[in-house]
Amino acid sequence: QSALTQPASVSGSPGQSITISCTGTSSDVGSYNLVSWYQQHPGKAPKLMIYEVSKRPSGVSNRFSGSKSGNTASLTISGLQAEDEADYYCCSYAGSSPEVFGGGTKLTVL
Amino acid sequence: QVTLRESGPALVKPTQTLTLTCTFSGFSLSTSGMCVSWIRQPPGKALEWLARIDWDDDKYYSTSLKTRLTISKDTSKNQVVLTMTNMDPVDTATYYCARISAYGSGNDYWGQGTLVTVSS
Repeated sequence: QSALTQPASVSGSPGQSITISCTGTSSDVGSYNLVSWYQQHPGKAPKLMIYEVSKRPSGVSNRFSGSKSGNTASLTISGLQAEDEADYYCCSYAGSSPEVFGGGTKLTVL
Repeated sequence: QVTLRESGPALVKPTQTLTLTCTFSGFSLSTSGMCVSWIRQPPGKALEWLARIDWDDDKYYSTSLKTRLTISKDTSKNQVVLTMTNMDPVDTATYYCARISAYGSGNDYWGQGTLVTVSS
């Protein structure tokens, strides 16, 4: 199972919105509404930010939102804050090998 | 509250077998829908999903690593064990265990991770 494709890096200024894409195939992202997104700060464990494409766990800011179109899922962060600077990973259900992660995107808040 | 903690050797030699234990609290792996996954991350690299065991003892493995991985659970001890055979330096990584509380709900709680280095 190949990793999902994410941009290596994105950046934005405080207050702006950014979107991170996650491209898979018809065998994973395209076939299931089971995409999740994780935030990881340096030296820390990942934190679940979005599940089932667009649902937010309790406690996650509504500045974080998810969507999907075809084989591509997206994470949008609005009202960027300095604390949002981190690595972000998408993950999709993939059938027989249940989960596949993306290569990760480093978000820089300028 | 829900906690998970990984334990195991920090250093293993090439060709050896790695055994990692995930000890958890705050939930039961006998509860319908509960799962525990193992995920690893080589230094400076991306997350890689390895394996998962479900409440009903169903087991799933990474396609590329399935011949080397075995996952098991001891519900009475609140533990999940992952073994990986024939370790190689490329397997050097931080290994995480994480919980899934319901189908499709994502890995909502993670352990702190344990760094395993493969070197002679």
